[in-house]
Amino acid sequence: NAGVTQTPKFQVLKTGQSMTLQCAQDMNHEYMSWYRQDPGMGLRLIHYSVGAGITDQGEVPNGYNVSRSTTEDFPLRLLSAAPSQTSVYFCASSYVGEQFFGPGTRLTVL
Amino acid sequence: RKEVEQDPGPFNVPEGATVAFNCTYSNSASQSFFWYRQDCRKEPKLLMSVYSSGNEDGRFTAQLNRASQYISLLIRDSKLSDSATYLCVVSSGGSNYKLTFGKGTLLTVNP
Repeated sequence: NAGVTQTPKFQVLKTGQSMTLQCAQDMNHEYMSWYRQDPGMGLRLIHYSVGAGITDQGEVPNGYNVSRSTTEDFPLRLLSAAPSQTSVYFCASSYVGEQFFGPGTRLTVL
Repeated sequence: RKEVEQDPGPFNVPEGATVAFNCTYSNSASQSFFWYRQDCRKEPKLLMSVYSSGNEDGRFTAQLNRASQYISLLIRDSKLSDSATYLCVVSSGGSNYKLTFGKGTLLTVNP
């Protein structure tokens, strides 16, 4: 099992550009989530999904969209990148309890 | 009061020392509690779940006090490899899925 995979590992964007961060899991987990991690702020929940076709907002959803068309995939879209979105983004999946994290995407917005 | 608060750290200890991390949470409806470990520039990984009866895994002991809404992690005989950031994690209210993370406490174990 690959577990949770994320692409790309690194990305540099210019302000106003859009992009999609990819996340996939092969553990058949229903629950998936996206976090951002900033220095001094800890992990903050952006969006989450409890199953295919169901998504909801977390603590910091503004500027991000998600969709969940399959159990395996949970992409995160940045609509119009801003410097405040410079961060490390982690995707996670779980059945109940323990969340398994992907390796992260380091995003810089100039 | 923040949802999950941890010792701000950092902690610098010599090898072999015993170190304790403390955490408080604000949502009395939380049902699940964890300690995660995060190495520098890596993803968080589950260290151990925390149960009301307390639980131990080798050199690591976790305890939960629901009345005080307090969680602790004790590391005995610390090793260089224990150097990492330790994250206190609590489920959000009645959900077993949504987790709230503390900001983490950085531990450095020195030779």
